[in-house]
Amino acid sequence: NAGVTQTPKFRILKIGQSMTLQCTQDMNHNYMYWYRQDPGMGLKLIYYSVGAGITDKGEVPNGYNVSRSTTEDFPLRLELAAPSQTSVYFCASSWGGSDETQYFGPGTRLLVL
Amino acid sequence: AQSVAQPEDQVNVAEGNPLTVKCTYSVSGNPYLFWYVQYPNRGLQFLLKYITGDNLVKGSYGFEAEFNKSQTSFHLKKPSALVSDSALYFCAVRDRGSTLGRLYFGRGTQLTVWP
Repeated sequence: NAGVTQTPKFRILKIGQSMTLQCTQDMNHNYMYWYRQDPGMGLKLIYYSVGAGITDKGEVPNGYNVSRSTTEDFPLRLELAAPSQTSVYFCASSWGGSDETQYFGPGTRLLVL
Repeated sequence: AQSVAQPEDQVNVAEGNPLTVKCTYSVSGNPYLFWYVQYPNRGLQFLLKYITGDNLVKGSYGFEAEFNKSQTSFHLKKPSALVSDSALYFCAVRDRGSTLGRLYFGRGTQLTVWP
């Protein structure tokens, strides 16, 4: 049971490039989330999904897109990278319901130059 | 609007001394409250949560937290700190009425325990 896995661990992008951050969970969780963590700012929710085929925007969705074709995978797409997207990105999952614990992946560190 | 405040960016304690990491919250309804810990270059790890019942919640690694509804606080405590407890600690809150399960995080408190 690997939990939540993310790839890559680290990536450098040039302004305007695109990339996909991968997230996979093997716990059969319905709910999945993408957060970004900026220094001294805590975590901000980018997008979330309550099940396959269902996604919605969180607090800071601009510049990102997601899809959820399977229960296990929840990739995050950056179409035109900007320096403001330099951050650490965390994927999380939970069974659902408001008292459920979210389990986090190890994160992807992204640098946009 | 939901929000979480961690008033101290840094907490420094000597090994063996008790530690407290403070958290206050604001939610529109009744809260679920969580503490997570983040070690360097790692993801967030769940420590403990308050759902209902006893206001004193016990979690992993000897940590506990006390829910105080009147003061809207959920401070993290440990009776005797270890150097290995040094990490970044996040408090998070969720509205009990939310079906989404969205967490609102504080900015984090860096705990340093010196030998």
